[in-house]
Amino acid sequence: GDSVTQMEGPVTLSEEAFLTINCTYTATGYPSLFWYVQYPGEGLQLLLKATKADDKGSNKGFEATYRKETTSFHLEKGSVQVSDSAVYFCALSNSNSGYALNFGKGTSLLVTP
Amino acid sequence: NAGVTQTPKFQVLKTGQSMTLQCAQDMNHNSMYWYRQDPGMGLRLIYYSASEGTTDKGEVPNGYNVSRLNKREFSLRLESAAPSQTSVYFCASDTGGLNSPLHFGNGTRLTVT
Repeated sequence: GDSVTQMEGPVTLSEEAFLTINCTYTATGYPSLFWYVQYPGEGLQLLLKATKADDKGSNKGFEATYRKETTSFHLEKGSVQVSDSAVYFCALSNSNSGYALNFGKGTSLLVTP
Repeated sequence: NAGVTQTPKFQVLKTGQSMTLQCAQDMNHNSMYWYRQDPGMGLRLIYYSASEGTTDKGEVPNGYNVSRLNKREFSLRLESAAPSQTSVYFCASDTGGLNSPLHFGNGTRLTVT
């Protein structure tokens, strides 16, 4: 079945550092890919998405490119802020699972001043 | 605009007790979902309802039942709680379909002793 694998955290960075969180997936067909963010004590919220190969999703300075050849959707940000401290989840949606999102295990990010 | 509302926020149960987690959305979404979140496990789908009148099992349905009461409401019932069901439970909804982003509630933290 479909699956999503994320790099394990926690990831600790200094403010203004470059961020990469790796995400790879296994799926049949043509899934859509998402990054969600969870701030402490809250539910998840959509950060960005890409619906087909070579699409780039972007939001709030974060970017991720849908790479079908490497089955990857890595999250990047050029300069992180303390307020970016959160847990980040990679996810995919596929028609063969009734479109229900399949999540990775999450990567915790802590940004220090 | 309330979005997805879950009640209660916190609950402590003894083993064998029953309870129902309530979820309501005011976005006229077709699909609703129940996930549980456990440390190191990410989010796992318990049950989902693609449309009013239908429900389907997700990855971890054992020990749970659901009811899609109407288009707005989707409840999750634990008939006989077990310590393994200690978790944070999230309800979510979307319009349905491959590219539809999920909207999450703020979660219910359940402890079973």
